[in-house]
Amino acid sequence: DAGVTQSPTHLIKTRGQQVTLRCSPKSGHDTVSWYQQALGQGPQFIFQYYEEEERQRGNFPDRFSGHQFPNYSSELNVNALLLGDSALYLCASSPLSGQGPYEQYFGPGTRLTVT
Amino acid sequence: AQSVTQLGSHVSVSEGALVLLRCNYSSSVPPYLFWYVQYPNQGLQLLLKYTTGATLVKGINGFEAEFKKSETSFHLTKPSAHMSDAAEYFCAVKAAGNKLTFGGGTRVLVKP
Repeated sequence: DAGVTQSPTHLIKTRGQQVTLRCSPKSGHDTVSWYQQALGQGPQFIFQYYEEEERQRGNFPDRFSGHQFPNYSSELNVNALLLGDSALYLCASSPLSGQGPYEQYFGPGTRLTVT
Repeated sequence: AQSVTQLGSHVSVSEGALVLLRCNYSSSVPPYLFWYVQYPNQGLQLLLKYTTGATLVKGINGFEAEFKKSETSFHLTKPSAHMSDAAEYFCAVKAAGNKLTFGGGTRVLVKP
């Protein structure tokens, strides 16, 4: 059973550029959440997608946007990159709209470096 | 609003000694609580979770945690540390809504 997969593994971008990160959820999961983990910190919730719609959003600017496809995979887009966007971006999936006690399963992350 | 505080950003233990990682949370509704472990350059792996019922929760790799509502705590313990336990540990709370709120993490160093 494949777990959560993310691509690419590493990415280097220049300030002002745009980036797209991709995530495939664990088999049987329909909800995808994205988190940003800066160096030395805990993950911070960006947003969550269910039924191809953004259902909940954390305290991130509109430069951060996302999409969920009919097969439940998801993309995270970041526009006008800033140096402070350098972080590990984690995707997590869960079943049944993420409600209730269901844990979130995390992918290995995408390491984004902005120069 | 919900929040998590992990006391001690770094913990050093000797191999075979007790591991104790502290986590306190705040939540306006009954929470679900989780402990995750992160090895270098990897994602997060679930160690254990508390939802309802028994307040002492057993997880993988010999870890366990006890939910104490009166103290708003969910401390993680392991009786005997192993070298492979060296990693970063995150406590998380899920209350209102679907998002997880994480603590700042505790890095565990195991000395031979």
